[in-house]
Amino acid sequence: AQSVTQLGSHVSVSEGALVLLRCNYSSSVPPYLFWYVQYPNQGLQLLLKYTSAATLVKGINGFEAEFKKSETSFHLTKPSAHMSDAAEYFCAVILDTGRRALTFGSGTRLQVQP
Amino acid sequence: DGGITQSPKYLFRKEGQNVTLSCEQNLNHDAMYWYRQDPGQGLRLIYYSQIVNDFQKGDIAEGYSVSREKKESFPLTVTSAQKNPTAFYLCASSLQLGQSYGYTFGSGTRLTVV
Repeated sequence: AQSVTQLGSHVSVSEGALVLLRCNYSSSVPPYLFWYVQYPNQGLQLLLKYTSAATLVKGINGFEAEFKKSETSFHLTKPSAHMSDAAEYFCAVILDTGRRALTFGSGTRLQVQP
Repeated sequence: DGGITQSPKYLFRKEGQNVTLSCEQNLNHDAMYWYRQDPGQGLRLIYYSQIVNDFQKGDIAEGYSVSREKKESFPLTVTSAQKNPTAFYLCASSLQLGQSYGYTFGSGTRLTVV
């Protein structure tokens, strides 16, 4: 079964510091991987997605993620945090077989301290 | 502008009542989805529909029902059989089921049982 694990339900960084949000997936076949962001009481917005074209994926708002098959990871990074980055972030996976609907991780809430 | 509209934004239900959450999209997407969000648990799939007049159970379908009579609409009914319905409900759509299609999310309905 496909799944994603997000390490750390809460992450706190200082403004200007590196943001690193961790995501590991379990899949026996190459997956499609996504990062979404959610602001309070709103829906989810797609940050970036990995579809096997390139292992380093750049997204919106300065975020990027690297697909590492050997580590089964897809960690999200941003070099310098802004106050506006404070939100909840979800990693998600989809396979091209079986159910073919997104399966989400449990989420990581990012706090940015001034 | 194209998008997904969920209504109402807030909904209160008495125990034993059925309630229906509305989800409408004008993106011409074939696939639609309902997710439930609880704190610390990420998003869990309730039902999904690949095409009109077809839908499949997700991970937590018990106590819920859906219909897909029109491409644009995918209403979710929370029945009295759902033991703990208080949650944030998100509707989403994608061009087709599976592969690398990103999802577009509505802004959600927060259901509270009183």
